Amino acid sequence: RKEVEQDPGPFNVPEGATVAFNCTYSNSASQSFFWYRQDCRKEPKLLMSVYSSGNEDGRFTAQLNRASQYISLLIRDSKLSDSATYLCVVRGMDSNYQLIWGAGTKLIIKP
Amino acid sequence: DAGVTQSPTHLIKTRGQHVTLRCSPISGHKSVSWYQQVLGQGPQFIFQYYEKEERGRGNFPDRFSARQFPNYSSELNVNALLLGDSALYLCASSLGSGAPRSQYFGPGTRLTVL
Repeated sequence: RKEVEQDPGPFNVPEGATVAFNCTYSNSASQSFFWYRQDCRKEPKLLMSVYSSGNEDGRFTAQLNRASQYISLLIRDSKLSDSATYLCVVRGMDSNYQLIWGAGTKLIIKP
Repeated sequence: DAGVTQSPTHLIKTRGQHVTLRCSPISGHKSVSWYQQVLGQGPQFIFQYYEKEERGRGNFPDRFSARQFPNYSSELNVNALLLGDSALYLCASSLGSGAPRSQYFGPGTRLTVL
């Protein structure tokens, strides 16, 4: 089992719709969680951190469910510019606390 | 302020050759991490350096090595290149005291091994 798993998609969603995707992680002791966005052939960019109480940044909402070991990302009123791959990242609990990355979920917003 | 910079942006090598990739972190950042991203996958951690010392190493063969310089820039070296080394190599910097909370990436070096 991979340490961080995501549905690869693609998710094809009409502009203006709401879309959500989940990410599961295997290490229950993981402490920090992030969503990164990666455009085609570009570097990943931090979208938002995920806090235990859930957090919102404009149209984006992130939730953490420790009991079920998953995090989610909800995008409301989707825009064409939201088309990208969304990467789930977990900070590991090994001695180096390295970031462990999912393979990403591809989102395509259609006009 | 400039972000993370990497050079070169693209590189084509043949099997068996050696390659050196370079990274300059964001000003004030002392930690540099290297990742390999194969098409369709998430980044895979290779190395982390903080204050010129190796703080972490991923599951990569000894053909991969790195170092960090006094100005916190870093080099990633790969010897005896294999076709499977073809990937986007990403450098990320963080303020980090060895435990990166979040990282900021450079544009990457796209390596093609023929």
